[in-house]
Amino acid sequence: TQLLEQSPQFLSIQEGENLTVYCNSSSVFSSLQWYRQEPGEGPVLLVTVVTGGEVKKLKRLTFQFGDARKDSSLHITAAQPGDTGLYLCAGANNNAGNMLTFGGGTRLMVKP
Amino acid sequence: KAGVTQTPRYLIKTRGQQVTLSCSPISGHRSVSWYQQTPGQGLQFLFEYFSETQRNKGNFPGRFSGRQFSNSRSEMNVSTLELGDSALYLCASSLPVASTDTQYFGPGTRLTVL
Repeated sequence: TQLLEQSPQFLSIQEGENLTVYCNSSSVFSSLQWYRQEPGEGPVLLVTVVTGGEVKKLKRLTFQFGDARKDSSLHITAAQPGDTGLYLCAGANNNAGNMLTFGGGTRLMVKP
Repeated sequence: KAGVTQTPRYLIKTRGQQVTLSCSPISGHRSVSWYQQTPGQGLQFLFEYFSETQRNKGNFPGRFSGRQFSNSRSEMNVSTLELGDSALYLCASSLPVASTDTQYFGPGTRLTVL
């Protein structure tokens, strides 16, 4: 069974601070996806990383896939209150259809 | 285009009852996956349907079942409800061509078992 461990579970920071969320596994994934979920809604895809060592940027968000495709990180620069939400990483494998293995999530609160 | 819709949005049942949840995927999407989200276990994969066939199944008891219709709409059923089945049930749809295809999640059905 593949597992994804996400840390930290909770993060409360002030507006303008930087933060990093980590997603680690002992298993290799074909791709790693990051989602954000807000209360009362389903997760919304932020990015998919596929290649080991890949770095993707989405405005103030930087996503990195580990060289061995077992881990990933999400870095937010100058966090804003609008970044508040539940961040989820999810791993996928080409031989498992659309099945996603999710990390436990990081609940982020950015205070103004 | 319209997103993934799930009905009902909220449901209250008692132990021992059964429940059916519905998911309408984005038009043109043929894959529908179901997930259970709880505070303790997070998001866990239930099953995936593609072209009316179950393609993958997670580690859930046989009380959890699903099906997909020819129009790609999907239903999941939980029989003999237990208190621990209280959760947010999410469905996600995608085309799919590859595992990297974007999955679009619906808002979920919040099930409370009393």
